[in-house]
Amino acid sequence: QSVLTQPPSVSAAPGQKVTISCSGSSSNIGYTSVSWYQQLPGTPPKLLIYENNRRPSGIPDRFSGSKSGTSATLGITGLQTGDEGDYYCGTWDTSLSAVVFGGGTELTVL
Amino acid sequence: QVQLRESGPGLVKPSETLSLTCGVSGYSITGYGFCWGWIRQPPGKGLQWIVSFCYDGLTFYNAPLQSRVTISVDTAKNQISLKLNSVTAADTAFYFCARTSRGLGSYTDLWGQGTLVTVSS
Repeated sequence: QSVLTQPPSVSAAPGQKVTISCSGSSSNIGYTSVSWYQQLPGTPPKLLIYENNRRPSGIPDRFSGSKSGTSATLGITGLQTGDEGDYYCGTWDTSLSAVVFGGGTELTVL
Repeated sequence: QVQLRESGPGLVKPSETLSLTCGVSGYSITGYGFCWGWIRQPPGKGLQWIVSFCYDGLTFYNAPLQSRVTISVDTAKNQISLKLNSVTAADTAFYFCARTSRGLGSYTDLWGQGTLVTVSS
């Protein structure tokens, strides 16, 4: 089991919006900031969001992140078929002294 | 442009040692503010962080793997290496070399392409 909990899958139609949740505890999400990663089929993960809501250069503003308490959310607007893949949340767990990830959420754009 | 490239055998026998190297170009692995390490992903499954060596000399391990993991750093060649001993089929995975921030949330901003290591006799 992963330290961070994500829904196994989400789906929405092209052009619509989807949100992916990530639930943790006071020793990880409640302690520090969250990052989000996109993994398209056959490729390594790519950083989408860091420090809860910051986007690296080149990531479109269709992707957004937020955090409240011990949970975080990734939002994707204007869904495209090219967004289909797996999305992971991650952070540092101070009790484990470890980088931790969620189990991943598979996004399907119907 | 910073690049990470993993190399090593793609097939390891059970009970033997998995050895991988990550060559880094475009950034010094001793540079301030970052850690360099390994993350793995069994085929069709999620991400599992293994180990990180940080610019300040500290090393952090995934506790269940720590007894089997060795990370080494060659600053002259700007590369890091991973050894995982006593492997079993459960260690079959894509292994990614990665750069992780030492600060808030320890986000991983750079990933290698990954290399598949299969444990099988």
